[in-house]
Amino acid sequence: NAGVTQTPKFQVLKTGQSMTLQCAQDMNHEYMSWYRQDPGMGLRLIHYSVGAGITDQGEVPNGYNVSRSTTEDFPLRLLSAAPSQTSVYFCASRPSEVRYGYTFGSGTRLTVV
Amino acid sequence: LAKTTQPISMDSYEGQEVNITCSHNNIATNDYITWYQQFPSQGPRFIIQGYKTKVTNEVASLFIPADRKSSTLSLPRVSLSDTAVYYCLVGDINTGGFKTIFGAGTRLFVKA
Repeated sequence: NAGVTQTPKFQVLKTGQSMTLQCAQDMNHEYMSWYRQDPGMGLRLIHYSVGAGITDQGEVPNGYNVSRSTTEDFPLRLLSAAPSQTSVYFCASRPSEVRYGYTFGSGTRLTVV
Repeated sequence: LAKTTQPISMDSYEGQEVNITCSHNNIATNDYITWYQQFPSQGPRFIIQGYKTKVTNEVASLFIPADRKSSTLSLPRVSLSDTAVYYCLVGDINTGGFKTIFGAGTRLFVKA
């Protein structure tokens, strides 16, 4: 089925470890974004991309890196995991036309111990 | 980016119409308004989007007054499955709204 695929669904990391959250979409969408959602809170924008090779920072970029080498993939890298990064991470994509909203993935639940 | 203000929570009963209002007093001429719905343990889902007046789709209606300083999401005859968090966002038409910022949302609880 077409959509946004995130892997893994669950992950436990130790403080200081690094890892990459994967995000792939098969809808040929230009725009992709990463959000984090802490318990009982709204979503906060980490990084976003308006096309392959173009990325920019959102509200809470510290501790995260992104790259966009292809239209389909937008991985999020945690450089040195901290307990404050325990959260649910959502990847989203949408076409460039403003009349379309974002399609979200099912999320990655990350726990840093 | 225009800041939005929504009620933190709302209660309703099955079969009622629910109206959730969002304030965006400093909305710019180029901004449009979008609403999302989020169920527990899922990513948000796009509901509806508009710039002015009224927009209707199979799920909801969006009312935007002439001054555009607020908008109202209307859900007709809600059911228990409409229990969710609803987010109001504004985005810039010229930039495509790619830097989409979510607020805290409105938690709607539908009772039997």
